Amino acid sequence: EVQLGESGGGLVQPGRSLRLSCTASGFSLGDYAVGWVRQAPGKGLEWVGFIRSLVYGGTTEYAASVRGRFIISRDDSKSIAYLQMNSLRTEDTAVYYCTRDRGPILTAYYPDNWGQGALVTVSS
Amino acid sequence: SYELTQPPSVSVSPGQTANITCSGDDLEDKFASWYQQKPGQSPILVIYQDTMRPSGIPERFSGSNSGNTATLTISGTQAMDEADYYCHAWDNSTAGVFGGGTKLTVL
Repeated sequence: EVQLGESGGGLVQPGRSLRLSCTASGFSLGDYAVGWVRQAPGKGLEWVGFIRSLVYGGTTEYAASVRGRFIISRDDSKSIAYLQMNSLRTEDTAVYYCTRDRGPILTAYYPDNWGQGALVTVSS
Repeated sequence: SYELTQPPSVSVSPGQTANITCSGDDLEDKFASWYQQKPGQSPILVIYQDTMRPSGIPERFSGSNSGNTATLTISGTQAMDEADYYCHAWDNSTAGVFGGGTKLTVL
């Protein structure tokens, strides 16, 4: 069974950093891209970013709202992906989901499995 | 940046057909996927690559994508289908994009 589990969420002050981990089981993480999607309280889904599999260069893409502040990385030997969040703002408060992403189909990707989410609260 | 637009809400009677739309420039040239999210739960994939249904998703869920609009159709809607639905597409300039979501109410 495909499973994704996020950890590392919590309360953090504005301007500080936090790192989320996404642990995969039931499949080989190295064969897939991994994405991060967030959902602010009572709001819709917002795509945050993703990292391609190493076969496709392990390169990353980010939403404009987090580019330059967030960094996605992966350690396939441990079946873990990371979301390093720096210079956090109150508007970054959300549940953060990691996703297994299928693709590329031509150049496109889409999430096909989701974790349970980790709540990150940015507040003083 | 690329944007996807969904109606905030759709209502349907039990047993009837619900159509949820997702609009974006030249959306037919991209692959649309759809996600169902019930309160307090993580989203699940119900349609991918415009029309494909993952294993375990009921046949009453179907999808189409033409022109600037992708549509999720739920035939014979059941009370258990009441949820928020989100479309997703990949744009080579913006990367991943979600629509704003549609709340489906089964009256």
